[in-house]
Order: sequence, then structure tokens, then C-alpha cells
Amino acid sequence: QKEVEQNSGPLSVPEGAIASLNCTYSDRVSQSFFWYRQYSGKSPELIMSIYSNGDKEDGRFTAQLNKASQYVSLLIRDSQPSDSATYLCAVIKDTGRRALTFGSGTRLQVQP
Amino acid sequence: GAVVSQHPSRVICKSGTSVKIECRSLDFQATTMFWYRQFPKQSLMLMATSNEGSKATYEQGVEKDKFLINHASLTLSTLTVTSAHPEDSSFYICSARPGVRSGELFFGEGSRLTVL
Repeated sequence: QKEVEQNSGPLSVPEGAIASLNCTYSDRVSQSFFWYRQYSGKSPELIMSIYSNGDKEDGRFTAQLNKASQYVSLLIRDSQPSDSATYLCAVIKDTGRRALTFGSGTRLQVQP
Repeated sequence: GAVVSQHPSRVICKSGTSVKIECRSLDFQATTMFWYRQFPKQSLMLMATSNEGSKATYEQGVEKDKFLINHASLTLSTLTVTSAHPEDSSFYICSARPGVRSGELFFGEGSRLTVL
């Protein structure tokens, strides 16, 4: 079982729709969760971080965390073609070094 | 967000040569930096943790003698790929966080290494 699992996609949505990206993680001690966006050939950029159960909203983005189900998701409202990218879910497992462990990413395509 | 700068962005070298990649935190001090590697269509894999003033911590399967890491100051970490081979061709990305309590990691622009 992978430590952080994501559907590789591609997930295709029409412009203006809601894109829903999902991620599950295996280690129950994970405490911190992040969504990064990565355009082709570029390094990841942070979109959202979430640390406690529930929803966290930032503009068109909403992150949802359910620690009991070991599940974290990202909703993108009013999707734009510029949102087309690979979205990486990442978790911090250890409290020592606090390095990020990444999922394999979900490729999102927003159709104009 | 915090700024992490990486140089060079692209490098092409011949097999057997060594390549150095620099990672700088521009507006904060970082006692710890992380080096990741990403092969095409794959996710980021942690290679090593760079610790200021001490030895780096390498992930399982990463050769410490091949990937030399130096973290000589609070704003600079370097990764040297020694005796590079074509299979070392990859996208190398460094990252750092601006505070001990902060969970968010910020990434450099990445360095694409091509070994001929």
C-alpha cells in the first residue's frame, strides 16, 4: 500500500465546474496535509494546507480533511483552464524532520 | 510565500562528470532543507534531508557518496551529483520551510539534469 494514494487521472471537467480531487493516506499519525499544484516542467507550488478535521476554504479552493477515514480532498470551484495541472497531495508523517511525502498526483484538465 | 531559489535551472553534462546544484532561501533562514528528485510522470521522491552544520540524512536507496550534500550556512544547501550517469537524469528540487513551527514547505524552481 502506498503511503499517499491519488487517482492519477486525468480528471476532465468543463470550465466553470467543480473539480474534486481525492487523496488517502496510510499512516494514522500523519498530522499535516497539503495540496500542491505542479505545472509541467515546473516545481510544485503550495495551494492549501490543512491540519484539523473539517473544511478549510481559500478563494476558489476548499480542502477537506477526515482523519478517521484517512482522507483529504481538494475542491476547486469555478474551474478555469489555467487550473489544468497536476495536483499533488502531501503529508507530514514524522514529527522529527517533518519531510513531506507526496502522492503520485492527479492530472486535472479543465476544458474551455 | 517564502522564496527558495535554485540554480542552475537546466544543466547538461557528459557521463562521468560532476554537477553541483545550489539551493538558497532568500528571505528566511533554514536549518533544514530537503532535496527531492522527480522522474518523468512520477511524483517527488525525497532523497535527503540537509542539516545546517551537520551531515545530511539520506533516504533508503540513495547513495550518499554519489549525491553529496553540503549545508554550510542557514541560507544555502548544495547537492553535487558525482560521476553522473544517464540514469541520474532527472528533475532535482530543493525545498525549505521558513519556521520551525510552520508545516508548509516552499520549493525552488527545480534543476533539470540531463546526462549524455
